[in-house]
Amino acid sequence: DAGITQSPRHKVTETGTPVTLRCHQTENHRYMYWYRQDPGHGLRLIHYSYGVKDTDKGEVSDGYSVSRSKTEDFLLTLESATSSQTSVYFCAISESFTESAYYGYTFGSGTRLTVV
Amino acid sequence: SQQGEEDPQALSIQEGENATMNCSYKTSINNLQWYRQNSGRGLVHLILIRSNEREKHSGRLRVTLDTSKKSSSLLITASRAADTASYFCATDATSGTYKYIFGTGTRLKVLA
Repeated sequence: DAGITQSPRHKVTETGTPVTLRCHQTENHRYMYWYRQDPGHGLRLIHYSYGVKDTDKGEVSDGYSVSRSKTEDFLLTLESATSSQTSVYFCAISESFTESAYYGYTFGSGTRLTVV
Repeated sequence: SQQGEEDPQALSIQEGENATMNCSYKTSINNLQWYRQNSGRGLVHLILIRSNEREKHSGRLRVTLDTSKKSSSLLITASRAADTASYFCATDATSGTYKYIFGTGTRLKVLA
C-alpha cells in the first residue's frame, strides 16, 4: 500500500522470545495504529500513537509494547511471544483529525506472525 | 466488546445483483466508516458518514446512517465479481476521538 510498509511480512517465532514488528510511513501522518486481526474478532486495536513519543493503549494491549521515536516509524514489540499472539498484525495511519477533514485510515499489507 | 457488529456474517449473490450489509453499534458516534478487505490484503477505506448525515453515495456505494437505531447499512449496486471481499464498519471508540473500533465483518462473495 502506498506510503506505508510493514516488515516483516511473515514471521515464525518460538514461544517466549521477543518479537518486534515495524511500521514505516512516508506520508508524515501524525496518527499511527497497530491492530491485530483474528477470525471471529475482526480487527482489535492494540496500541496507537498521536505523535512522536506519544502513545496509548487500545483494547488488547496486554503483552505488547510500542515505541515511536520518529514520525515515520511505529514499532510493536511482543515482549515474550505466546501462542495466543499468533495473528495477522496491521498497521494503519491517518492524518490529523479534524471534524471537517477526516478521511479514514490507510492500512499496511499486514504481518502474519506465527508463534510456535 | 465490539463497538460495531456487521450482519450478515456472510453473503453470496450473483453478479449484477445488489448487496446490502448492516452494521449496528452501541454508543454514540461522531462518524462511521466502511472498509473493504480483499483476501490477504490490508483494509481499504471506502466511505465515511458523519453523525449528522443520513445518506451518502460514492459510485456504486450507498451508505445510510440511523443514529436513533444506532445502525448503518452499506449497499453495493450492480455487484461485480471484483466486489468479492470482506466489508467492515468502524466507529470512533469514544465520540470525537481518533480511535476506531472495527466490527467482525461481512464476507461477500459475488458469483460470476
